[in-house]
Amino acid sequence: GQSLEQPSEVTAVEGAIVQINCTYQTSGFYGLSWYQQHDGGAPTFLSYNALDGLEETGRFSSFLSRSDSYGYLLLQELQMKDSASYFCAVKNYGQNFVFGPGTRLSVLP
Amino acid sequence: ETGVTQSPTHLIKTRGQQVTLRCSSQSGHNTVSWYQQALGQGPQFIFQYYREEENGRGNFPPRFSGLQFPNYSSELNVNALELDDSALYLCASSLGLAGATDTQYFGPGTRLTVL
Repeated sequence: GQSLEQPSEVTAVEGAIVQINCTYQTSGFYGLSWYQQHDGGAPTFLSYNALDGLEETGRFSSFLSRSDSYGYLLLQELQMKDSASYFCAVKNYGQNFVFGPGTRLSVLP
Repeated sequence: ETGVTQSPTHLIKTRGQQVTLRCSSQSGHNTVSWYQQALGQGPQFIFQYYREEENGRGNFPPRFSGLQFPNYSSELNVNALELDDSALYLCASSLGLAGATDTQYFGPGTRLTVL
């Protein structure tokens, strides 16, 4: 089977940098994705890592290490609007997506 | 705005009833996936359709079924509703490229409450 683990909550202040980790146990997958979901909203795509290494998209970066079964999402210059839940997800070779339990980020002024 | 719409927004049913939820995908997206999201949890994959054929299914009983139509719309049907079926139901469309960066575009969801 597949499972992903994330911290349940993270708190940081405006302007800071925060890292949300994702560890996984899965037999085979194409890549690691990250989604953001505000309360009452739908998940929206943030980033995708097909290969090991760092992917940067503006203030957000994502990292994947297949050898360590580990990835993370890095958010820089935090803003109040970044307060949301963040999910890591893998697309396995069965063409199915498996989502992690989510990390609730609270950004304080 | 993802271009993916769902209806209805909210729905209240009683235990034992049947429900049909609808989704309209982005034009050109051959794949639609359905998820169940309980409060405070991550989306749980129900099943996926690619060009009107089911090609993946999560750990959900057969009373959860679906259809995908040629016009990029799809349905999720749930029979014999149970209290635990109360959740946000999300559909997500994608191009359906195996192995590629298959970004999913989620609809706003349907909040189902089973009493």
